[in-house]
Amino acid sequence: NAGVTQTPKFRILKIGQSMTLQCTQDMNHNYMYWYRQDPGMGLKLIYYSVGAGITDKGEVPNGYNVSRSTTEDFPLRLELAAPSQTSVYFCASSYRAGDYNEQFFGPGTRLTVL
Amino acid sequence: QKEVEQNSGPLSVPEGAIASLNCTYSDRGSQSFFWYRQYSGKSPELIMFIYSNGDKEDGRFTAQLNKASQYVSLLIRDSQPSDSATYLCAPGGQGNLIFGKGTKLSVKP
Repeated sequence: NAGVTQTPKFRILKIGQSMTLQCTQDMNHNYMYWYRQDPGMGLKLIYYSVGAGITDKGEVPNGYNVSRSTTEDFPLRLELAAPSQTSVYFCASSYRAGDYNEQFFGPGTRLTVL
Repeated sequence: QKEVEQNSGPLSVPEGAIASLNCTYSDRGSQSFFWYRQYSGKSPELIMFIYSNGDKEDGRFTAQLNKASQYVSLLIRDSQPSDSATYLCAPGGQGNLIFGKGTKLSVKP
């Protein structure tokens, strides 16, 4: 199993550009998550999904969009990049929700907006 | 809103010592806790899960949970330089994980 994979690993965007961060998991997990991590800070939840076709906002959703058309894929879209979106983005998945929702993380995408 | 507080450190301990990492949380409904380890430039990985009050041991790691005090800790015995990382605490429960900012641990040879 590859687990959770993310592409690209690094990206530099200009202000106002758009891009999609890709996330795929091969563990047949229903639950998937997108986090951002700023330097020296913890993880902030952007969006999550409890299954194909179902998504919901997390703590910091502004400036982002998601879709979940399959169990495996959960792409994150940035429409108009801003310097405040410079961060490391982690995708994660879990088999369960609630008290036992151990999350498995992808390797991350380091995004810089100039 | 759940809140999770961790001492950001850095916490520096000599090799072979016990490292003690602490986490407090605001949600009295939280029944479970996760400790994740994150090496610099890498993604978090789960190292401990605890559900019940008391201690849970796994090798050199011991998690302690006190629900009445809303406090969970992680002890690392015989600390090794390879334990140098940031440790993130996250309560489980309904909804999704809210992570603490993490405690940076440095183990000096």
